[in-house]
Amino acid sequence: GESVGLHLPTLSVQEGDNSIINCAYSNSASDYFIWYKQESGKGPQFIIDIRSNMDKRQGQRVTVLLNKTVKHLSLQIAATQPGDSAVYFCAERFFNKFYFGSGTKLNVKP
Amino acid sequence: NAGVTQTPKFRVLKTGQSMTLLCAQDMNHEYMYWYRQDPGMGLRLIHYSVGEGTTAKGEVPDGYNVSRLKKQNFLLGLESAAPSQTSVYFCASSSVRGQIYEQYFGPGTRLTVT
Repeated sequence: GESVGLHLPTLSVQEGDNSIINCAYSNSASDYFIWYKQESGKGPQFIIDIRSNMDKRQGQRVTVLLNKTVKHLSLQIAATQPGDSAVYFCAERFFNKFYFGSGTKLNVKP
Repeated sequence: NAGVTQTPKFRVLKTGQSMTLLCAQDMNHEYMYWYRQDPGMGLRLIHYSVGEGTTAKGEVPDGYNVSRLKKQNFLLGLESAAPSQTSVYFCASSSVRGQIYEQYFGPGTRLTVT
């Protein structure tokens, strides 16, 4: 099967700083990518997505960057807040199937 | 508008027992998915459906069966539960808008097999 991996299992940032969460994906034919946020005891929540024909997409306080050359995806969170503390997953879509990474836990220190 | 709901929220089974997990969505979505999530790991796709009456295997389908008799419901069955199936199960649904497949997840079912 396909594999999606993350470079760091945990990330600690100071409140107000910017956060960057990285993800490596394995299949160059994947056409769609999503970042999810999962809080303890809850299901994943959609944050932002990007299609393979794009390099960058911005949302409210979040930006996703896609580098197809090195098969790398990143999520940037601006002015990180305590409410951003959660586990973040990237997922790639390959022929109707989504493959998730193992997640990065983001800790926001007050 | 409840979104995606899952029944039950918790369940304990003995090895060899069977059960069915129910997922329901009220957003008229075409696609539905079943995932499992093990501790410290991401979600792995078990089975999915691209429309009423259709199902397909995902990444880890062994030991599970599914049915999509109605568009709004997606059932996941375990015929003979094994301890390796202890996990949290998430259902999701998505519409297809162009090439956008935003998935909406349910709250999960925590299953323990002893």
